[in-house]
Amino acid sequence: SQKIEQNSEALNIQEGKTATLTCNYTNYSPAYLQWYRQDPGRGPVFLLLIRENEKEKRKERLKVTFDTTLKQSLFHITASQPADSATYLCALPAPTSGTYKYIFGTGTRLKVLA
Amino acid sequence: ETGVTQSPTHLIKTRGQQVTLRCSSQSGHNTVSWYQQALGQGPQFIFQYYREEENGRGNFPPRFSGLQFPNYSSELNVNALELDDSALYLCASSKGTENYGYTFGSGTRLTVV
Repeated sequence: SQKIEQNSEALNIQEGKTATLTCNYTNYSPAYLQWYRQDPGRGPVFLLLIRENEKEKRKERLKVTFDTTLKQSLFHITASQPADSATYLCALPAPTSGTYKYIFGTGTRLKVLA
Repeated sequence: ETGVTQSPTHLIKTRGQQVTLRCSSQSGHNTVSWYQQALGQGPQFIFQYYREEENGRGNFPPRFSGLQFPNYSSELNVNALELDDSALYLCASSKGTENYGYTFGSGTRLTVV
């Protein structure tokens, strides 16, 4: 079955530095991958979608890469701010035609220190 | 545009009881998906509704059931509650034929005692 692995350890970084989060997956070749942000007690918020034919995608201070050979996506936040502190989830579409259900990783908790 | 609204925000139930959770989808979205998120875990897919029909189901027992109404709002019903059903229940809406990402509600925190 499909498996997604995100670093379950919390990531603490200093304000202004670049945060890099990792999402690895197995037994699957998804057509795209998504990243979400989740604050405590709230629902996830969609950030970025990257397709298998895109190596990199950017949105403001966010950058996502997608390496289908390594089966890995990297999520970068440049010039990080304390407001970026949250849990970041990666999600892959489940390999079932006709539906858009997703398999989520457990998320990585990011804390940006002022 | 309005976002996804879920009610209630918090709920405490006793083991064996039944519960109904409600979700209003974002304007223009015709697909609703329900997820269960246990503490410290990622969301787990329960089922999806598209045009009032179930359109895929995750690994959840039949005591988890749902409905979608003509206005695309949805309900999640759970019968015979168990302690392990305690979780954050998330509703997400999307346009059925697009994959631009879900819009999630803030969730319903269910505690079973």
